[in-house]
Amino acid sequence: GDSVTQMEGPVTLSEEAFLTINCTYTATGYPSLFWYVQYPGEGLQLLLKATKADDKGSNKGFEATYRKETTSFHLEKGSVQVSDSAVYFCALSAGDDKIIFGKGTRLHILP
Amino acid sequence: NAGVTQTPKFRVLKTGQSMTLLCAQDMNHEYMYWYRQDPGMGLRLIHYSVGEGTTAKGEVPDGYNVSRLKKQNFLLGLESAAPSQTSVYFCASSYLQGRTDTQYFGPGTRLTVL
Repeated sequence: GDSVTQMEGPVTLSEEAFLTINCTYTATGYPSLFWYVQYPGEGLQLLLKATKADDKGSNKGFEATYRKETTSFHLEKGSVQVSDSAVYFCALSAGDDKIIFGKGTRLHILP
Repeated sequence: NAGVTQTPKFRVLKTGQSMTLLCAQDMNHEYMYWYRQDPGMGLRLIHYSVGEGTTAKGEVPDGYNVSRLKKQNFLLGLESAAPSQTSVYFCASSYLQGRTDTQYFGPGTRLTVL
């Protein structure tokens, strides 16, 4: 079945460091890919998405490129801030009514 | 525009008690979802609805029931709560089919079953 695998956390970085959170997927067909973010005490919110191969989603300085050849959708940011501390979820939707989420990666940014 | 709201925010139950969690959305969305979030497990889909009067099972439906009598509301019921149902529950909604559309999440309900 369809699945999402993302790097385990927690990930701890200093402010202004470069961030990469790896995400790979398994799916039949041509899924859409998402990154959701969950700030402490809140629900999830969409960070960015890509709906076809080679698309790049971007928002708030974060980017991820849909790589069909490597079945990946890695999240990157060039310079993280303390306010980026959160849990990040990679997810896919492959044509039915449901989204499949990864287990989440907790990110801590130190000032 | 409140988005997706959930009631209550916190609840403590004893084993065997029942309760209903309410989810409401004011965005006229067709699709609504109930998830549970447990440490190290990510989000798991319990039940979902593709429109008023419809419901369907997700990944972990056992021990839960749902109803969608009105388009804006999606209720999650626990008939006989068990400690294994201690979790944070999130409701979400989307306008279109999930493949390309964004899901909007509520703030969550933290449930503890003793």
